[in-house]
Amino acid sequence: AQRVTQPEKLLSVFKGAPVELKCNYSYSGSPELFWYVQYSRQRLQLLLRHISRESIKGFTADLNKGETSFHLKKPFAQEEDSAMYYCALSGAAGSTLGRLYFGRGTQLTVWP
Amino acid sequence: ETGVTQTPRHLVMGMTNKKSLKCEQHLGHNAMYWYKQSAKKPLELMFVYSLEERVENNSVPSRFSPECPNSSHLFLHLHTLQPEDSALYLCASSPTQGAEEKLFFGSGTQLSVL
Repeated sequence: AQRVTQPEKLLSVFKGAPVELKCNYSYSGSPELFWYVQYSRQRLQLLLRHISRESIKGFTADLNKGETSFHLKKPFAQEEDSAMYYCALSGAAGSTLGRLYFGRGTQLTVWP
Repeated sequence: ETGVTQTPRHLVMGMTNKKSLKCEQHLGHNAMYWYKQSAKKPLELMFVYSLEERVENNSVPSRFSPECPNSSHLFLHLHTLQPEDSALYLCASSPTQGAEEKLFFGSGTQLSVL
């Protein structure tokens, strides 16, 4: 069965410190992984996807199939990064298109 | 207004009430979704509509009844809800069904069932 696990419900770091939000997944096929972010009083929005292999707002995430992980990293956290972060998985063959499996989210707080 | 708009932003209802949540998108998308976000569970997909046809009902109780009269509007009709149905209900749209990387979410309706 598909599952996305974000082990940390809350994560706090100081400004300028590195940050890593953990995400592990369980899926039998070839998944597509995403990170979504929800800033205070804003809507949920896509931050990045593993296929794009891009860096958005200084964040990167690498899909590690051996460890079934897709951790989100940023070398120097900023106060404006404080938000709720959700890891999500989309299945490929055999799955329902349009279905995203979300983790429970990690609330990141960056202190000044 | 562009994007995905949900009304009302907040809703309080009794268990015997009937109410409806509304979602409207001005993005020209063909697929629309209802998600439920509760405090104790991950974000859950409830319904998927593609070109105004329901393509998925994720084992949602019948007290939730979706309606998609056209590709721009999506409703969620609520009837005889339970307190455990209290949650944030999010609407989303995408250009086509399955284009998850292009999901646009609304701000949600915070529902409280008394």
